[in-house]
Amino acid sequence: GEDVEQSLFLSVREGDSSVINCTYTDSSSTYLYWYKQEPGAGLQLLTYIFSNMDMKQDQRLTVLLNKKDKHLSLRIADTQTGDSAIYFCAESNPNTDKLIFGTGTRLQVFP
Amino acid sequence: DAGVIQSPRHEVTEMGQEVTLRCKPISGHDYLFWYRQTMMRGLELLIYFNNNVPIDDSGMPEDRFSAKMPNASFSTLKIQPSEPRDSAVYFCASSLGDREETQYFGPGTRLLVL
Repeated sequence: GEDVEQSLFLSVREGDSSVINCTYTDSSSTYLYWYKQEPGAGLQLLTYIFSNMDMKQDQRLTVLLNKKDKHLSLRIADTQTGDSAIYFCAESNPNTDKLIFGTGTRLQVFP
Repeated sequence: DAGVIQSPRHEVTEMGQEVTLRCKPISGHDYLFWYRQTMMRGLELLIYFNNNVPIDDSGMPEDRFSAKMPNASFSTLKIQPSEPRDSAVYFCASSLGDREETQYFGPGTRLLVL
């Protein structure tokens, strides 16, 4: 079945790196996504990776994909207080055009 | 493009009243999704449309909920009658579809049913 799992909380010190992990189940997913939700706001697309890639880097963000283990991670370098938010992992289902979202990981950055 | 537009941004109503939430997707997007977000249940997909046609409404909680998409630029989610347990943030999202599944979310409607 379709299932995307994430840990619920992550707390890091400002300036450190954050790593948010996600596991998914659908090996036919074409894209895997990371969305960010700030308090009181909608989900904002952060980045995505195509399923035939292992890594994607975009400024402070690095996405790693291990297809064998169905594991996706988001690394945020030099984490800032403005990075405090909920981060959702999502996998695409090419048969339905739906996205399957994880439960979200609440990242808290402290000074 | 202005992105996905939702209205109202906030709604407070009394139990038993009808509530209508509105969404304007990004122009040219063929897919429209309605989600509900609560602390207890997280983000839930309620229903989605392709080219104005409902494709999957299995996430709609019960008959009190209904959604329509009369044209490509407008959709409504209606709750009648509303109950306190419907209190949540309701998001609309749209995507191009046809193997381009990236969804773009609106700001949400925060609904409080007293």
